[in-house]
Amino acid sequence: QLQLQESGPGLVKPSETLSLTCAVSGGSISSSPYYGGWIRQPPGKGLEWIGTIYYSGSTYYNPSLRSRVTLSLDTSKNQLSLRLSSVTAADSAVYYCARGAKTSLGATDFDYWGQGTLVTVSS
Amino acid sequence: SYELTQPPSVSVSPGQTASITCSGDTLGDKYACWYQQRPGQSPVLVIYQDTKRPSGIPERFSGSNSGNTATLTISGTQAMDEADYYCQAWDSSTLVFGGGTKLTVL
Repeated sequence: QLQLQESGPGLVKPSETLSLTCAVSGGSISSSPYYGGWIRQPPGKGLEWIGTIYYSGSTYYNPSLRSRVTLSLDTSKNQLSLRLSSVTAADSAVYYCARGAKTSLGATDFDYWGQGTLVTVSS
Repeated sequence: SYELTQPPSVSVSPGQTASITCSGDTLGDKYACWYQQRPGQSPVLVIYQDTKRPSGIPERFSGSNSGNTATLTISGTQAMDEADYYCQAWDSSTLVFGGGTKLTVL
């Protein structure tokens, strides 16, 4: 059974960079046809897609976050990473990593999700 | 930018059929999927590629997608189905979630 586990600081200061890692076990995220993604959810609100990275390293970002986001994939460790720069209180949320399998129409869904990690932006 | 619209809330009596809609421009030309999220838990994929159920998802969950609307249908709704439901689609290399629908079973 595939498992994903997010890790990283639970508290980040405003203007700093948020960095999270997602360790994948029980399956691959760095081989065809898989992709990984990050999704966040502010407390009491809906889901917001942050970005997706294919096994090939190709990346796709939410246009509203593109200027601040970097996704990367470490194939040797089977893990993906998220960096979000210049954070503000509006970036406080539960951050999820997830995995999907590419279809003919693209990165169309996430079939496995991590448990999520709460990140608070505050001084 | 592409948008998906869901009703904020839907109520259903136990044993009845619940339908949750998701509207978006030419959504029927894309794959729609649905996630269930219970309070304090991670989202779970319940329908993918418009109509398919992942392993372990009860048969009472079904999906359709045509024109501008995708629909999640829960037949014989149970109390355990009370949750938030999100539709999602992939359009022009961008992933979009609907705003979510709170399903109340009462």
